[in-house]
Order: sequence, then structure tokens, then C-alpha cells
Amino acid sequence: DADVTQTPRNRITKTGKRIMLECSQTKGHDRMYWYRQDPGLGLQLIYYSFDVKDINKGEISDGYSVSRQAQAKFSLSLESAIPNQTALYFCATSTRRGETQYFGPGTRLLVL
Amino acid sequence: GENVEQHPSTLSVQEGDSAVIKCTYSDSASNYFPWYKQELGKRPQLIIDIRSNVGEKKDQRIAVTLNKTAKHFSLHITETQPEDSAVYFCAASTSGTYKYIFGTGTRLKVLA
Repeated sequence: DADVTQTPRNRITKTGKRIMLECSQTKGHDRMYWYRQDPGLGLQLIYYSFDVKDINKGEISDGYSVSRQAQAKFSLSLESAIPNQTALYFCATSTRRGETQYFGPGTRLLVL
Repeated sequence: GENVEQHPSTLSVQEGDSAVIKCTYSDSASNYFPWYKQELGKRPQLIIDIRSNVGEKKDQRIAVTLNKTAKHFSLHITETQPEDSAVYFCAASTSGTYKYIFGTGTRLKVLA
């Protein structure tokens, strides 16, 4: 779904580096989410935002922070990357009603 | 805490046969149950969903059934085709909240 985009699509970084993953959407949705996907563990919620002024922690927020710069933009930061943060990261959006979530294409992150 | 169990973790079927994937949820307040298909290297995409006021929903070769009393729901794919090969995720959510709880996924292989 080209309406939700993520940059970069792939990133290799070193332990201790700060990195930012970005998500943009043109769907006009209020709600945005960041998930992490590890093999065999499904998708785990990191942070979610109901609107620009409303940001909440998910199940696994430790080591991550987010910024909702505008309705259409939601960024995820790893303050000091560590190898066990190597994973596939997905951004998703939904309407205010919050049912169906639409996923971006994902960012594959490798922390060495 | 809340969780969704999904079985089996892998499933191989012959082309043309049916496939069934089952999920059990723990939160009795859950009332929205989406199913996502994730092809290799791609984003999860919604294929079908069901709300708790409905017992069954069909869309061509795909159907979902819900048993609220037993707190389980199932995905049924009939006349499977090679392009059905993917990882399938179930999720449970409560309307008005942010929260999707995902199952751990089922890798479906359709053998030609």
C-alpha cells in the first residue's frame, strides 16, 4: 500500500549509534503505530500515537523513543542501538475508529 | 496478560486442498479479529476480518469463523493455490482501543 511509506528500507548500524526510522502516510489517518517483528514472535507493539499530542508506550518500548511531527509523520528512534534490536520494523496507521491497520513496507535493521 | 495463541506454526497442503489455521484469545472484551497475510519480504496485508456480532464471514476462497464462547476463531482457505503460500497472522482487538494482540504466525506452504 503506497499510502504508508518507510525510510530507510534497510539499515546497518553499529552498537551504540543513534538511528531514526521514519514513517509517512497520505491516508489521512489519525492513529499511527510502530511494531517490531522477530522470527517466530509475530508483531510486537513498540509505541502508538492517537494524534500529534497523544503518544503512548506499547509492549516493548524500552530502548526506543518516538516523535509525531505531524499527523502524517511518525518517527522511531533507537537512542543507543544494541544487537538484539536487529529486527524488521513496521509502521502502521488506522482511522480514529482504530480497527483495520494498514502497514508500511518495513525497515530491515541490522545492529552489529 | 492478554495473549493470542495461533496453531499450527507451519502447515503444508497439496494444491487444491483446504487449509485451516486456528487462534485462541484470552481477553473476553475482544470484539474485532483481523487476519493478515505476509508474503516473503513484504508487509502484512489484511485479507479478512470479523466482528464479534458475526459468527462467520466469507470472501471467495477465504472464510473466518468465530466462537465467542470458546474464545477462538479460525481461518479457512479452500482450493489452495501456490500463491496462497505465505505467513498468516491472526490478531484480536477491542473497538475503540489501540491494541492489536497478534498471534505468532502460521507459515503455509502450498505444494504444487
